[in-house]
Amino acid sequence: QKEVEQNSGPLSVPEGAIASLNCTYSDRGSQSFFWYRQYSGKSPELIMFIYSNGDKEDGRFTAQLNKASQYVSLLIRDSQPSDSATYLCAVNGYTDKLIFGTGTRLQVFP
Amino acid sequence: GAGVSQTPSNKVTEKGKYVELRCDPISGHTALYWYRQSLGQGPEFLIYFQGTGAADDSGLPNDRFFAVRPEGSVSTLKIQRTERGDSAVYLCASSLASANTGELFFGEGSRLTVL
Repeated sequence: QKEVEQNSGPLSVPEGAIASLNCTYSDRGSQSFFWYRQYSGKSPELIMFIYSNGDKEDGRFTAQLNKASQYVSLLIRDSQPSDSATYLCAVNGYTDKLIFGTGTRLQVFP
Repeated sequence: GAGVSQTPSNKVTEKGKYVELRCDPISGHTALYWYRQSLGQGPEFLIYFQGTGAADDSGLPNDRFFAVRPEGSVSTLKIQRTERGDSAVYLCASSLASANTGELFFGEGSRLTVL
């Protein structure tokens, strides 16, 4: 079992819709959870982090964490074509290393 | 510079050769990470430094891979006897404290191609 799992996609949504990206992780001891965005040919950049169960909102982005189910999600409201990218879920490991999933490719079409 | 700097940006080498990839982190960042990323995959953890010491090198695939950070700033990833399977983008990232509490800032990567 991979440590961090994501559906590779692509996830296609129309402009203005809500995009829902999901991630599961295997280490119950994980404490910190991150969503990074990676445009094609570019390096990852942090969008959001979440440490506690529940929802955390930042602008059009909402991160959701359920530690009991070992599940993290990212919702993007009012999706824009500029949101088209690969979204990487990352979870801390035992020694502060950050483990990334394979990423979900999101396509927002006009 | 303002960001994480990686050199070379592109490296083409022949199977069996030795390669060094350099990372210059953001000034003052104590944590430095090396990842490699193959096409269509997420970044794969290689090694993490806290200061001068390797806090976790469990991701290094075998003893052909080695990394140093002698003065707690610049880091070099060294690959001996390169193989075609080593071809990937090698990403370096730095953080003010650690990945758990802070954001990782990535460089633009070094694309390694082994012929």
